[in-house]
Amino acid sequence: AQTVTQSQPEMSVQEAETVTLSCTYDTSESDYYLFWYKQPPSRQMILVIRQEAYKQQNATENRFSVNFQKAAKSFSLKISDSQLGDAAMYFCAYRTRNQAGTALIFGKGTTLSVSS
Amino acid sequence: GAVVSQHPSWVICKSGTSVKIECRSLDFQATTMFWYRQFPKQSLMLMATSNEGSKATYEQGVEKDKFLINHASLTLSTLTVTSAHPEDSSFYICSAPTGVEAFFGQGTRLTVV
Repeated sequence: AQTVTQSQPEMSVQEAETVTLSCTYDTSESDYYLFWYKQPPSRQMILVIRQEAYKQQNATENRFSVNFQKAAKSFSLKISDSQLGDAAMYFCAYRTRNQAGTALIFGKGTTLSVSS
Repeated sequence: GAVVSQHPSWVICKSGTSVKIECRSLDFQATTMFWYRQFPKQSLMLMATSNEGSKATYEQGVEKDKFLINHASLTLSTLTVTSAHPEDSSFYICSAPTGVEAFFGQGTRLTVV
């Protein structure tokens, strides 16, 4: 069975600084997707970024980028130029690519606080 | 992106009563809907998977008779918490997969008093 581990329950960052959230996963599959979701106080789940395992290039979305290390099964999220609105709970998630319509497997989450 | 509309956003009910939560896919057909439960500051726990036209699949430890799931059409899935008790108080979220991504409802905060 696949598992996702987020070892940092809480992180903090100053406005305009950079922070990295860690995520490791375990799977025997070679083809899968990885995601980072943001859950602000409203509790609406928002997709931040996604990575296809077959792509070597790290995904980037504006201030958000990932460091995908397939061999190490590591998928960290870097937030650059942090803003107050980035404060939220962040979840790393895994989904197999082998079967359509399968549920995401979530890590336990990291609560990010941003101070001015 | 695709929109999943979940209602109600919050509900308070008396112990022993039943509560229905609806999730509608507004601009796409959702053949599958996932139902999650989330406790404060914790992760999302998959409760069950509903598929249009067939019985829902429940995760281990989830009471089928307490959490009734119906996927009546390609745009509507419902979760009914029957004979609710205070320990059922939680945040419930639905999610529909579309291709690579999954789209989430806004969530329902259920409080049982």
